[in-house]
Amino acid sequence: SQQGEEDPQALSIQEGENATMNCSYKTSINNLQWYRQNSGRGLVHLILIRSNEREKHSGRLRVTLDTSKKSSSLLITASRAADTASYFCATVLLGNTDKLIFGTGTRLQVFP
Amino acid sequence: EAQVTQNPRYLITVTGKKLTVTCSQNMNHEYMSWYRQDPGLGLRQIYYSMNVEVTDKGDVPEGYKVSRKEKRNFPLILESPSPNQTSLYFCASSFSGPNEQFFGPGTRLTVL
Repeated sequence: SQQGEEDPQALSIQEGENATMNCSYKTSINNLQWYRQNSGRGLVHLILIRSNEREKHSGRLRVTLDTSKKSSSLLITASRAADTASYFCATVLLGNTDKLIFGTGTRLQVFP
Repeated sequence: EAQVTQNPRYLITVTGKKLTVTCSQNMNHEYMSWYRQDPGLGLRQIYYSMNVEVTDKGDVPEGYKVSRKEKRNFPLILESPSPNQTSLYFCASSFSGPNEQFFGPGTRLTVL
């Protein structure tokens, strides 16, 4: 089964609204990363948050990590049509830092 | 321009006909990896390499081979492709370990 599972699987919003995606994982992690994928294209790294960090910002992106709940969230503020993409969380496990394990992704649609 | 390149981008082949998908990066990255992406399953790691001549299995290595003779190249070899290897394949690289990876544009493989 997947280490990371995103929720919701799909999300539709209007431009200007905020989008929140959640990721839950099962095993203790070294870090958690978020990636974006535009339809059928290669993934782009967005942000990495380490297990000892609780929150990180990058532009309009805000990521939180709650290791007690084994969950993370990605917030995109003031969304734009260009944010339409699939978003994946991925984890590097504690004790196995050679591999990156992806979740199944959230498909975000932003309508103009 | 920093990039990961993959060739070919699209390939249709028949069962049992050996093929190689090339991957090259120009960022002097130590870590390289191959993933396959299938609907509903997210990305799954096939093989990865921590450095030259160092490779290891990911989560779905069966039916694939890799080599890392030079730092910049990490080819994926399918000795005897089967239809269940029909998928979208991504190569990725990063400076050290599976963090903040740069992804190639993908290779869409169909095995008839």
